Amino acid sequence: ETGVTQTPRHLVMGMTNKKSLKCEQHLGHNAMYWYKQSAKKPLELMFVYNFKEQTENNSVPSRFSPECPNSSHLFLHLHTLQPEDSALYLCASSQEVASGNTIYFGEGSWLTVV
Amino acid sequence: AQTVTQSQPEMSVQEAETVTLSCTYDTSESDYYLFWYKQPPSRQMILVIRQEAYKQQNATENRFSVNFQKAAKSFSLKISDSQLGDAAMYFCAYRSAPMGNTPLVFGKGTRLSVIA
Repeated sequence: ETGVTQTPRHLVMGMTNKKSLKCEQHLGHNAMYWYKQSAKKPLELMFVYNFKEQTENNSVPSRFSPECPNSSHLFLHLHTLQPEDSALYLCASSQEVASGNTIYFGEGSWLTVV
Repeated sequence: AQTVTQSQPEMSVQEAETVTLSCTYDTSESDYYLFWYKQPPSRQMILVIRQEAYKQQNATENRFSVNFQKAAKSFSLKISDSQLGDAAMYFCAYRSAPMGNTPLVFGKGTRLSVIA
């Protein structure tokens, strides 16, 4: 049982498709994050939202578009992706973005771009 | 920029034995947080243990403990009485302490196998 739920768990999409990843946290947190985990590379922070406001975009290509309608939900809209975008996308949350707050992760969404 | 290095891509340990996973980091800051996360085959990242840099006492959580050497910028994880369920990828992570938005910086991970 996890306080951070991601759907879908697996997604296969073509390069011309548009799809979205969804994340929901049930922990009452105010900060949410998207991370990308590629094979043999460290986890990469993509986006940070604090109280629904985007506070960080870590030089992510515009084909990834985040949306945070409220503190409990976070989306990652995907369009015209490339095969190298295939990875595990992890959503996470914390009470706030302050450094001492523990970050809790979801189980991830496996994305394959064909 | 801060970096985190895990020099052991893979480790193995016999069940009930003790294993130590290494982590070093590079920073010019004096105040920060360090974490070990576990990622089992389910892929969920689970916090194992955290350490505040201003605390000299090493953090412990049941069978998990750290050896935090601030001067050496080393933060190793010791797992005692290893269990089959400990098999996973383990990631060391660093986070700056100043106020505001600071990202977690992760190492590349160490894959731990537990042999029955």
